[in-house]
Amino acid sequence: DTAVSQTPKYLVTQMGNDKSIKCEQNLGHDTMYWYKQDSKKFLKIMFSYNNKELIINETVPNRFSPKSPDKAHLNLHINSLELGDSAVYFCASSQIGNTEAFFGQGTRLTVV
Amino acid sequence: AQSVTQLGSHVSVSEGALVLLRCNYSSSVPPYLFWYVQYPNQGLQLLLKYTTGATLVKGINGFEAEFKKSETSFHLTKPSAHMSDAAEYFCAVSEPGNQFYFGTGTSLTVIP
Repeated sequence: DTAVSQTPKYLVTQMGNDKSIKCEQNLGHDTMYWYKQDSKKFLKIMFSYNNKELIINETVPNRFSPKSPDKAHLNLHINSLELGDSAVYFCASSQIGNTEAFFGQGTRLTVV
Repeated sequence: AQSVTQLGSHVSVSEGALVLLRCNYSSSVPPYLFWYVQYPNQGLQLLLKYTTGATLVKGINGFEAEFKKSETSFHLTKPSAHMSDAAEYFCAVSEPGNQFYFGTGTSLTVIP
């Protein structure tokens, strides 16, 4: 059983399109995250979310929006995709107390 | 505010040699500290973590790290490198209830 699963694993799309990446965790964790990893392997926090609070990294464009239908899911919606959005996006989850974050396998987004 | 600094974006060692990857952090409260490993085209996997208690922590695959409060460091070591250790390594810090912040990563190359 995969603890944190993301779909799709690869996503190729044209500039201007709107796309979504789905994330599900079966660990019963109360906090989920989205990270962006650029071509230099830098990992940047985009969002953290639990059932009480959404924390947004202020540098993230408002074209990016997280949506959580329930505690086990945190999807990432991206509007009007740009070339600079090309990266690997990782979903992660943790339990309160932050003793460990579990990561999905990543979604490689390529905008052409 | 939390931050993590990893000295050396690329480290090369010979097979069988000591591995030392450096990590320094800043945190306003006693932090939780982590090392993650990322193999090519995969997600991040936890190697080891320090939360409280013994400052020398042992992880998977023969890795260990020591929390030194006076030096604000959490360096990762392994006595003898294997070819399979070649990967990207990330140091991370979190404060209870807050997000995880990652260093810029260190790419480890093992030379046969």
